[in-house]
Amino acid sequence: DTEVTQTPKHLVMGMTNKKSLKCEQHMGHRAMYWYKQKAKKPPELMFVYSYEKLSINESVPSRFSPECPNSSLLNLHLHALQPEDSALYLCASSQVPLPTGNYGYTFGSGTRLTVV
Amino acid sequence: KQEVTQIPAALSVPEGENLVLNCSFTDSAIYNLQWFRQDPGKGLTSLLLIQSSQREQTSGRLNASLDKSSGRSTLYIAASQPGDSATYLCAVPASGSRLTFGEGTQLTVNP
Repeated sequence: DTEVTQTPKHLVMGMTNKKSLKCEQHMGHRAMYWYKQKAKKPPELMFVYSYEKLSINESVPSRFSPECPNSSLLNLHLHALQPEDSALYLCASSQVPLPTGNYGYTFGSGTRLTVV
Repeated sequence: KQEVTQIPAALSVPEGENLVLNCSFTDSAIYNLQWFRQDPGKGLTSLLLIQSSQREQTSGRLNASLDKSSGRSTLYIAASQPGDSATYLCAVPASGSRLTFGEGTQLTVNP
């Protein structure tokens, strides 16, 4: 299995809703990432989990809450979002944090989030 | 701070043409460089990863080169096809597990 699986593929939520995005990989990767991507822009890093511990939070608002229940799963809990949070949310993994040499990043297909 | 630049921002070519996408980076102390493809509204698909000790990597019609000393990488696509139409992103790992992306090249291959 060489994939990162994200669910759901599409999500529409109101500003008072609570929802979660899920990400799963079975490649034995020990680093997992959440990225946010707006239209026609490159992905922007939100969070990094290294060996199931949060290692980087890029000053993301607290309405986004990441969770890493185990080495294969990564969740992003959403609460009280704003319309400007509408974007493509991408999960990624790498064999180790800061992959060197022949190790790279594997991305999922993303969740298209619309906040209404 | 690592900065990655991609030129051109957009490219439109007729089918069958060979083409080159360019990527430059400011800090030559990189471990590797990765080229991705992104279709509209989709995730990133890794095309090629080229290690800092390598000069070239090839996969099918794709060839990526790396010149660390000059801070440049190119992605060569041979005999382009309409199915190659997508945005191509180059990225390098930076400090703290951050992946620094260029702004991308939007490629359109016309039948």
